[in-house]
Amino acid sequence: DTGVSQDPRHKITKRGQNVTFRCDPISEHNRLYWYRQTLGQGPEFLTYFQNEAQLEKSRLLSDRFSAERPKGSFSTLEIQRTEQGDSAMYLCASSRQEVSGYTFGSGTRLTVV
Amino acid sequence: TQLLEQSPQFLSIQEGENLTVYCNSSSVFSSLQWYRQEPGEGPVLLVTVVTGGEVKKLKRLTFQFGDARKDSSLHITAAQPGDTGLYLCAGVHAGGTSYGKLTFGQGTILTVHP
Repeated sequence: DTGVSQDPRHKITKRGQNVTFRCDPISEHNRLYWYRQTLGQGPEFLTYFQNEAQLEKSRLLSDRFSAERPKGSFSTLEIQRTEQGDSAMYLCASSRQEVSGYTFGSGTRLTVV
Repeated sequence: TQLLEQSPQFLSIQEGENLTVYCNSSSVFSSLQWYRQEPGEGPVLLVTVVTGGEVKKLKRLTFQFGDARKDSSLHITAAQPGDTGLYLCAGVHAGGTSYGKLTFGQGTILTVHP
């Protein structure tokens, strides 16, 4: 198993455009989490899935953000009408049911210009 | 809202020195985790502490969990340049729909100079 994979690693987009990120978790992990991290800060929780069910969404996740995990495997995070304030590192992590510890991906660095 | 406060925010030391990073919570989490993150990469789990008063060692790193399970510390002995990075503590939420969710502190940026 190669760990948690995120794609793309970097994304530069113009303000107002839509972007979509993909996360492939460790295959036997049924929990998948999205976090956002700005420079020099700790990650902030966005949302998480148990299998295909989205169980919690942060208030940080405005109406422009949507996440899916259609078959309980990979997940996508879409941001519509991007704003400069959306510039950040978007991290995906997965874990087993028992939450013995997360495995994070390397993240997608989004820059909105 | 459960919050985690980390201190110091920045730490710049010489190789061979010892250091301690502190993590304090406003409330009790089910467990607490420490991560290390390098630039451009995701955090990597170092340790999970669960029991009040617990002490865990990972080579030159010593992790302590307070008796009341609201504070933790990371002590590094004889720091090396390879220890440079962002150190994060994270509280694991216990129940309900938040089960398993992590709340992170703001991190400590450690720089060890040769």
